[in-house]
Amino acid sequence: AQKVTQAQTEISVVEKEDVTLDCVYETRDTTYYLFWYKQPPSGELVFLIRRNSFDEQNEISGRYSWNFQKSTSSFNFTITASQVVDSAVYFCALRLYNTDKLIFGTGTRLQVFP
Amino acid sequence: GEEVAQTPKHLVRGEGQKAKLYCAPIKGHSYVFWYQQVLKNEFKFLISFQNENVFDETGMPKERFSAKCLPNSPCSLEIQATKLEDSAVYFCASSQSPLLAEGPIEQFFGPGTRLTVL
Repeated sequence: AQKVTQAQTEISVVEKEDVTLDCVYETRDTTYYLFWYKQPPSGELVFLIRRNSFDEQNEISGRYSWNFQKSTSSFNFTITASQVVDSAVYFCALRLYNTDKLIFGTGTRLQVFP
Repeated sequence: GEEVAQTPKHLVRGEGQKAKLYCAPIKGHSYVFWYQQVLKNEFKFLISFQNENVFDETGMPKERFSAKCLPNSPCSLEIQATKLEDSAVYFCASSQSPLLAEGPIEQFFGPGTRLTVL
């Protein structure tokens, strides 16, 4: 069965701290895709990144970076020098190659205090 | 358009009433998805379309839920005889080519419709 686990329900940090959001996934498929979405208090879902299973290169985009490790089935997300505007619920999701639907984790609520 | 549009933003229904939600995908996207988010965190896949054809409906509670994507019309999700547990935010998403490894396959989400069943 396919599953995404985000063990951290809620994280609170003070502005400028670095924070890492964990994501562990389960699948027997060899080809799959992993995603991170951000859901701010306004409620919309904002796409952040997609990673293909055959591309283990880590990625950095500004203050955001992602660490994909197939050996541990993890796709962790780090925010460097967090800001109040980063406060949101972050969802990790899995999509298998031969299906279309996203399988979401239960999300991690990040609160960044000034 | 450049964004997925969903209407209405909020919908309130009494138990047993019908609810109909609408979604206009991003122009050029041929795949449409509906998800239900309950308790603010849990997402449940409902149904997907490839153009006007149902692609995957494994998540749909078929006895009361139905959905359509007709040409030149917004897609719709209809709930007959709503129940209290249908209260949720319903998200529509669209993408270009979810089954191909090449090209962008991200699903872009609309702002959601919050359904409250009283």
